Amino acid sequence: DQQVKQNSPSLSVQEGRISILNCDYTNSMFDYFLWYKKYPAEGPTFLISISSIKDKNEDGRFTVFLNKSAKHLSLHIVPSQPGDSAVYFCAATLYYGNNRLAFGKGNQVVVIP
Amino acid sequence: GAGVSQSPRYKVAKRGQDVALRCDPISGHVSLFWYQQALGQGPEFLTYFQNEAQLDKSGLPSDRFFAERPEGSVSTLKIQRTQQEDSAVYLCASSLGLGTGYNSPLHFGNGTRLTVT
Repeated sequence: DQQVKQNSPSLSVQEGRISILNCDYTNSMFDYFLWYKKYPAEGPTFLISISSIKDKNEDGRFTVFLNKSAKHLSLHIVPSQPGDSAVYFCAATLYYGNNRLAFGKGNQVVVIP
Repeated sequence: GAGVSQSPRYKVAKRGQDVALRCDPISGHVSLFWYQQALGQGPEFLTYFQNEAQLDKSGLPSDRFFAERPEGSVSTLKIQRTQQEDSAVYLCASSLGLGTGYNSPLHFGNGTRLTVT
């Protein structure tokens, strides 16, 4: 059963515009959420995270928003750059928990120059 | 090296063969994880080590899968009598802290792509 869901598998956006990626989770016990970015033939690299005690975390061009009541989080990339073209994975875990990350299927982002 | 290193990058095995996949984590990293990523899917947890202790192997899909980290650094994932459904990318990741939930993000290797024919 997919505990972390990422719909809209691909997204195309013009350079300079905003990219918004969405993620839903089903396990209400999850309290720590992460986004990973993956280029072809490489492993995922950590991008940004958020704990359930916050509803927003910002790091440069990347902002993650968390809506606990809706079990929903989103990643905003502003402004989008061609180097942002990659697959983005949403992941969730228990902060003091079982050490495993539950990943979504990923969203392919293409930034058009 | 500076990152997590996995070898081989690609492995083709005939159905029924045994394979061994190697992971060299970042030096000093306490936690080591193995994930399996099937085509078009996100990574799925297989097993977790804290130093040499295998604390969680609940994600291993069958008793054909075995992982070890005998000296708390290099790890090997072994798959016996490979089946076609084992075809996937196997990702190794390490973290400095005690696990993914301790504000200690995972550093992934580039993976081993296993194809079972």
